Amino acid sequence: NAGVTQTPKFQVLKTGQSMTLQCAQDMNHEYMSWYRQDPGMGLRLIHYSVGAGITDQGEVPNGYNVSRSTTEDFPLRLLSAAPSQTSVYFCASSYQDRGRGGYTFGSGTRLTVV
Amino acid sequence: AQSVTQLGSHVSVSEGALVLLRCNYSSSVPPYLFWYVQYPNQGLQLLLKYTSAATLVKGINGFEAEFKKSETSFHLTKPSAHMSDAAEYFCAVIRISGSARQLTFGSGTQLTVLP
Repeated sequence: NAGVTQTPKFQVLKTGQSMTLQCAQDMNHEYMSWYRQDPGMGLRLIHYSVGAGITDQGEVPNGYNVSRSTTEDFPLRLLSAAPSQTSVYFCASSYQDRGRGGYTFGSGTRLTVV
Repeated sequence: AQSVTQLGSHVSVSEGALVLLRCNYSSSVPPYLFWYVQYPNQGLQLLLKYTSAATLVKGINGFEAEFKKSETSFHLTKPSAHMSDAAEYFCAVIRISGSARQLTFGSGTQLTVLP
């Protein structure tokens, strides 16, 4: 049971480039989310999904896009990378109790935009 | 809206001393509260959760937290700190927005354990 798997672990992008951060879970969780972590700001919600085909915006969605075609996968797309998107990104998932049982987190993707 | 505030971005304790990390919540409805721990270069791991079943919640690694409605607090404690407890700790609450439920974090407390 792998839990939540994020790839890549590290990435350096040039300003204006696009890329996709991958997230996959094998726990049949309905709920999946993307967070970014910046020093002194805790984790902020970017986008989330309550099931396949259903996504919604979180606190800081600008510059990011998501889709949920399967229960297992929830990729995060950076459309045109900016230095302000330098951060550590975490994917998380939970059961259909909408997170009341606690979320399971991936190990993160450290992204640097130069 | 539901939110949490962590008091103290950095806390230092000596090995063997009491650990107390503070968290206050804001919620108009009974909250679902959590403590997570993040070790360096790792993801977040659930320490414990409050879901209204009991006010004193025991978690992993000897940590516990007490829900105090009168003080709107959910402080994390451990009787005796160990070097391996050095990490960043996050308090979190389920924020309700319409039909959506979103996990919202405090800004974190970095715990240093001194030998």
